[in-house]
Amino acid sequence: GENVEQHPSTLSVQEGDSAVIKCTYSDSASNYFPWYKQELGKRPQLIIDIRSNVGEKKDQRIAVTLNKTAKHFSLHITETQPEDSAVYFCAASWQAGGTSYGKLTFGQGTILTVHP
Amino acid sequence: DGGITQSPKYLFRKEGQNVTLSCEQNLNHDAMYWYRQDPGQGLRLIYYSQIVNDFQKGDIAEGYSVSREKKESFPLTVTSAQKNPTAFYLCASSIRRRGTGGHEQYFGPGTRLTVT
Repeated sequence: GENVEQHPSTLSVQEGDSAVIKCTYSDSASNYFPWYKQELGKRPQLIIDIRSNVGEKKDQRIAVTLNKTAKHFSLHITETQPEDSAVYFCAASWQAGGTSYGKLTFGQGTILTVHP
Repeated sequence: DGGITQSPKYLFRKEGQNVTLSCEQNLNHDAMYWYRQDPGQGLRLIYYSQIVNDFQKGDIAEGYSVSREKKESFPLTVTSAQKNPTAFYLCASSIRRRGTGGHEQYFGPGTRLTVT
């Protein structure tokens, strides 16, 4: 089955700096890579996702890059703000166009702390 | 935060007792999932269901059971056979996203189970 490794486990940055979280996956068939954010005491929520036919995707201050050959993908947060402090999870999955479900394998999570 | 609910928020049980965690959604999603969240291990899939009356084991199904008699409901039973049941349990449902076509998972608020 799929195995996803996520690094670092904790990341501390100053407000305004950039943060990068990296994940590697084992199953070359995986084609869908979402990132979830879990604020303290809250439920995880999707913040950005990417398909394997795309190398990079950006949404305001967050971006995700994918290297299929190396089987790794990364989350980039620029101009970090204190409200970015949370646990971030990467995930990988094989999802065909017609499937009715989306089984995900998650990474271990990264605790991001942004200091004012 | 509406749409998918879990009850109770905290649950305490004695070792050797079975316990059932509730998960209800009014999002009209076909697929539902149960995850276990432990510190440093991310979210691990216990069971998932694509449709009513159908469910499959995830990566850590041993000691757990589920049912899916209604579209809205996907209860999880933690049996006495589960060797380390104390954990935070998250239920989710999913729907396909228009952009990437991947399934976005909507999580419930979670149930923290403590077994002593």
